[in-house]
Amino acid sequence: EAQVTQNPRYLITVTGKKLTVTCSQNMNHEYMSWYRQDPGLGLRQIYYSMNVEVTDKGDVPEGYKVSRKEKRNFPLILESPSPNQTSLYFCASSLSPGQGGTEAFFGQGTRLTVV
Amino acid sequence: AQKITQTQPGMFVQEKEAVTLDCTYDTSDPSYGLFWYKQPSSGEMIFLIYQGSYDQQNATEGRYSLNFQKARKSANLVISASQLGDSAMYFCAMREPYSGNTPLVFGKGTRLSVIA
Repeated sequence: EAQVTQNPRYLITVTGKKLTVTCSQNMNHEYMSWYRQDPGLGLRQIYYSMNVEVTDKGDVPEGYKVSRKEKRNFPLILESPSPNQTSLYFCASSLSPGQGGTEAFFGQGTRLTVV
Repeated sequence: AQKITQTQPGMFVQEKEAVTLDCTYDTSDPSYGLFWYKQPSSGEMIFLIYQGSYDQQNATEGRYSLNFQKARKSANLVISASQLGDSAMYFCAMREPYSGNTPLVFGKGTRLSVIA
């Protein structure tokens, strides 16, 4: 089954404690991205990756890091989480538009609370 | 400037009626893609429908259709015969230029409530 898998689904952590949210896709997609969703603000892109070892900042990258060492995985790293990073996070992947990518597949979401 | 505008924060519709969710977009690129997603209360993002800027016909997927008016830069989602399970947040999104590897830009969403 084609899917994007995020872990964990729910996480409560304390300010300053490094954490990683994993994302894996099994569709051999080149394009992957991370979004955060906040009430009244919709989804905003944090980082994206066009291929292995190619990453770039989205609209709200401050406080986040990513890596793309292999095609299927695109972890989101919060080196020193703060309460303003409390949010619902989504990972998404798609074929590149040049490959006919007309749909982005989303993971189930990770609800992060930083206290 | 906001690229995707959804002017209806919330809407109500009677079960079995049709409903239109508005979306306008802003781009100067001739090549772009428009998407609609559904987000139920459980939180997942579900792809509904896609329209390419060069597509001649309006996209349709089952009970969903996209009313694409290019000159007006609008891409409204029409849901026919609403069901209680259609109650959710709906997001319009755009990718431009479509020929490149570019991110999806989302609107702020419309919350649809279907009433029995």
